[in-house]
Amino acid sequence: DGGITQSPKYLFRKEGQNVTLSCEQNLNHDAMYWYRQDPGQGLRLIYYSHIVNDFQKGDIAEGYSVSREKKESFPLTVTSAQKNPTAFYLCASSRAPGSYNSPLHFGNGTRLTVT
Amino acid sequence: DQQVKQNSPSLSVQEGRISILNCDYTNSMFDYFLWYKKYPAEGPTFLISISSIKDKNEDGRFTVFLNKSAKHLSLHIVPSQPGDSAVYFCAARGRNKLVFGAGTILRVKS
Repeated sequence: DGGITQSPKYLFRKEGQNVTLSCEQNLNHDAMYWYRQDPGQGLRLIYYSHIVNDFQKGDIAEGYSVSREKKESFPLTVTSAQKNPTAFYLCASSRAPGSYNSPLHFGNGTRLTVT
Repeated sequence: DQQVKQNSPSLSVQEGRISILNCDYTNSMFDYFLWYKKYPAEGPTFLISISSIKDKNEDGRFTVFLNKSAKHLSLHIVPSQPGDSAVYFCAARGRNKLVFGAGTILRVKS
């Protein structure tokens, strides 16, 4: 059945290393998103993509990069420039960004710990 | 600048009673509002939504009310069940992006 797969579930990295989080969807959705969740805060948008080979910065894009070479895949790279990378990262997709009947479908998240 | 606020970090309710979760927003350009439910170590799942042109939407035990003049929406769960215990996020859509609140932890006691 269709869904969004994020891997790995837990990731540990040393400070100063770049790390890439995987997100794959088989829902045939056009739009994909990366959010970050921190304790006591809502989900904050990092990057989003409404179509292949195009993506836009969200509210907290600094220190992150993405690519959208395939419709199904939207990997997120957390670079060493990100000041506070330790967080729970959520990937989501939707059928069409402007549609009323197109809520976000989320993956189960990746918890990244940087020490 | 929090455009979507959930002022109650947590709520505890007895099984069978009503749970009311509240959400306030500041941006009058938001045109669509959603509630998501999240269990620990999982991604949020869509629960119910409402367009800004409506004031109520009902789906089974879940009802969302929208008061545009007060920029306030609420989620009512009746009757509450232990399986409803989770974090509930309110979200508002503007410019094809969703803005989320910080979430409210709901605990339903049996």
